[in-house]
Amino acid sequence: EAGVAQSPRYKIIEKRQSVAFWCNPISGHATLYWYQQILGQGPKLLIQFQNNGVVDDSQLPKDRFSAERLKGVDSTLKIQPAKLEDSAVYLCASSLDLATEAFFGQGTRLTVV
Amino acid sequence: GNSVTQMEGPVTLSEEAFLTINCTYTATGYPSLFWYVQYPGEGLQLLLKATKADDKGSNKGFEATYRKETTSFHLEKGSVQVSDSAVYFCALTKGAAGNKLTFGGGTRVLVKP
Repeated sequence: EAGVAQSPRYKIIEKRQSVAFWCNPISGHATLYWYQQILGQGPKLLIQFQNNGVVDDSQLPKDRFSAERLKGVDSTLKIQPAKLEDSAVYLCASSLDLATEAFFGQGTRLTVV
Repeated sequence: GNSVTQMEGPVTLSEEAFLTINCTYTATGYPSLFWYVQYPGEGLQLLLKATKADDKGSNKGFEATYRKETTSFHLEKGSVQVSDSAVYFCALTKGAAGNKLTFGGGTRVLVKP
């Protein structure tokens, strides 16, 4: 079974630029998550989707971050404009539904200079 | 709100030593508790879990017991190997949003031959 796919693996941008990350969840998984993991810290949930609807985006900095899952499968997370403090690993995870275990992708490491 | 506190690392051990990583949590009601592991260059993987008080989760020689009276979920392994070198995260899920994870800060473990 294929796992959660994320791209790109690495990205370096200058502050105030924009960037987008892509996630393809495990086939059939209805629930998709984006987490932010700052170096030396545990992951923090940014947004959670159930199919193409948002379940929880309370921790998403909506002035600069946006995410979508238009067809209930792939998802994109965008940052515009980026700040230095956005440097982190962005993890995507998926699960069959709200009650089952989440599986994580390898993440996208973002460096903002 | 929910929170997880785990011992800071790095923890450096010799091969075949006993490993304990302390984890305590704050949550109302009865959360589910997890240990995730992140090997170098890889994504987060679920190591073990426990869903109710006094449950013991186990996998790959690791064990953790859900202790409601002390709000703890300490991870133990009797004899570590070099291949156990990784970052370990304690986490919980709670509430109507299902399996949204709240993570601790992570503990880096380095096992030397």
